[in-house]
Amino acid sequence: DVKVTQSSRYLVKRTGEKVFLECVQDMDHENMFWYRQDPGLGLRLIYFSYDVKMKEKGDIPEGYSVSREKKERFSLILESASTNQTSMYLCASKRTNSGANVLTFGAGSRLTVL
Amino acid sequence: QKEVEQDPGPLSVPEGAIVSLNCTYSNSAFQYFMWYRQYSRKGPELLMYTYSSGNKEDGRFTAQVDKSSKYISLFIRDSQPSDSATYLCAMSGNTGKLIFGQGTTLQVKP
Repeated sequence: DVKVTQSSRYLVKRTGEKVFLECVQDMDHENMFWYRQDPGLGLRLIYFSYDVKMKEKGDIPEGYSVSREKKERFSLILESASTNQTSMYLCASKRTNSGANVLTFGAGSRLTVL
Repeated sequence: QKEVEQDPGPLSVPEGAIVSLNCTYSNSAFQYFMWYRQYSRKGPELLMYTYSSGNKEDGRFTAQVDKSSKYISLFIRDSQPSDSATYLCAMSGNTGKLIFGQGTTLQVKP
């Protein structure tokens, strides 16, 4: 069964802390994505990567960075966490030639910044 | 105006009811249409996928796309308490960018 694994399901951090959210997929997918999900706003794309060491900004990249050193792993980094980054973070992946752009999501990481 | 509009609900129905969930969109270039189901504290999972116009049926679920009206629907027959979840519509065109609706929260009461 294909899987996207987000190792940290629930995190509580303090304002100003550096936060790492890790995502691993075992499907050999080229493309990986980070979204945040907020009530009333739906899913918003933060960053995506179409290959190792490649990254592209999504719709709301400010305050975030990403790292893709290996094909299976895509990390989201909050350099200095702020309270407005309290959210559910979803990682997803897909194959490059997936014409329908069907994404496979992880279970999510719920981050609270105090 | 958002590219994809979806009523967030919540929608509450009795067990056994037929449920209709809908999204409207503004971009006529969209040709891939998806419905994701998201249980509480979980990630979204693909429920239905349709290319271009028409209907697609899978068990109790039917996805319908009307490109002329820019309107898509998901019907759930004989709804069950286990169908209680948030349903997200999503769509894309040739650019590959996937656009999501806000999600509709559905509760099916026993």
